[in-house]
Amino acid sequence: EVQLVESGGGFVQPGGSLRLSCAASGFTLSDYYMDWVRQAPGKGLEWVGRIRNKARGYTTEYAASVRGRFIVSGIDSKNSLYLQMNSLETEDTAVYYCARVIDGTTWVDDAFDIWGQGTMVTVSS
Amino acid sequence: IQLTQSPSSLSASVGDRVTITCRASQGISSYLAWYQQKPGKAPKLLIYAASTLQSDVPSRFSGSGSGTDFTLAISSLQPEDFATYYCQQHNTYPLTFGGGTKVEIK
Repeated sequence: EVQLVESGGGFVQPGGSLRLSCAASGFTLSDYYMDWVRQAPGKGLEWVGRIRNKARGYTTEYAASVRGRFIVSGIDSKNSLYLQMNSLETEDTAVYYCARVIDGTTWVDDAFDIWGQGTMVTVSS
Repeated sequence: IQLTQSPSSLSASVGDRVTITCRASQGISSYLAWYQQKPGKAPKLLIYAASTLQSDVPSRFSGSGSGTDFTLAISSLQPEDFATYYCQQHNTYPLTFGGGTKVEIK
């Protein structure tokens, strides 16, 4: 079964750091573009960032709101990817989802077909 | 690119035809996706490239449009369709989502 499972969420104070993990099963992460999307409590969806596949050199893109603070790190032998979140702000409080892109090499197929269940991050003093 | 969905919420009955619109602040060709989200669950892809139905999605869902104006239609609303729907442009970075449309039971 094709599946994504996030972990690593929790409670952190402003200015702190947290690393989220996204473990894949049923497919090879390195073959796909992978994204992080978040959802603040009671709010809509916000794209956070992307890591391209191995063939595209694992290059990354970020939303302006997290650029310079968040890092989508490379896919490893555990078939997992990571979101390193630094200098966290209260506005970063959200459920964080990892999502697979159908085919990021073309805009036509650049939509999210597989999502994890999400992991909650709470930033508060 | 900003995406504006309308309405933000609607009430409908089982069997009704429902349409939701999404307007982009600039042209995005046909690179628009629609997702369904139920409370406490991850979004589910319904349609991408404006009109391509994702596998295993019922045919009562359809999408249309290009450029700046797009529509998601549900031909005959079923009990399991009561949820929040989001559009998302996949034309340029940063990827963006609409604000959502909540479909409630009348």
